[in-house]
Amino acid sequence: NAGVTQTPKFQVLKTGQSMTLQCAQDMNHEYMSWYRQDPGMGLRLIHYSVGAGITDQGEVPNGYNVSRSTTEDFPLRLLSAAPSQTSVYFCASLPYQGNTEAFFGQGTRLTVV
Amino acid sequence: AQSVTQLGSHVSVSEGALVLLRCNYSSSVPPYLFWYVQYPNQGLQLLLKYTSAATLVKGINGFEAEFKKSETSFHLTKPSAHMSDAAEYFCAVSPFGNEKLTFGTGTRLTIIP
Repeated sequence: NAGVTQTPKFQVLKTGQSMTLQCAQDMNHEYMSWYRQDPGMGLRLIHYSVGAGITDQGEVPNGYNVSRSTTEDFPLRLLSAAPSQTSVYFCASLPYQGNTEAFFGQGTRLTVV
Repeated sequence: AQSVTQLGSHVSVSEGALVLLRCNYSSSVPPYLFWYVQYPNQGLQLLLKYTSAATLVKGINGFEAEFKKSETSFHLTKPSAHMSDAAEYFCAVSPFGNEKLTFGTGTRLTIIP
């Protein structure tokens, strides 16, 4: 099993550009989520999904869209990139019935200039 | 609402000395509590978790944490620091298990040879 795979690992965008951060997991986990990590702020939840076709907002959803058409994939879309979205993005997955370990991807380092 | 406070953004200890990383939480319901570790340029890895089964929780790499309800604390300790323990450590809380985790701001641990 590959676990949670995020692509790309690094990305530089110009202000106003759009892009999609990919996240895929091969563990058949129902729950997937996206976090952003900023210095001194820990990780903050952007969006999450409890299964295919079901998504919801987290703490900092503005400027981001998600969809969950399959159990395996949970892409994060930046509609119009802004410098404030410069961050490291992590995808995580786990079985829906909590109390189990969350598996994190290696992260995507995004810079918006 | 739930939140986590980690005291000390940077902690330095000598190799072989006690490691103590502090975490206090607030939660409107009995919480699930976690410690995650992040090595440079990597994703997060679960160290240990509290799920109300036992107040003293043992994790990987010789770390343990004690849940103290009266102090709303979940401090992480290790009796003897090793150079490989240098990393960033995050305390996290969730009312649902591992879903919708709320992270602290992190503590960077440096080990002095």
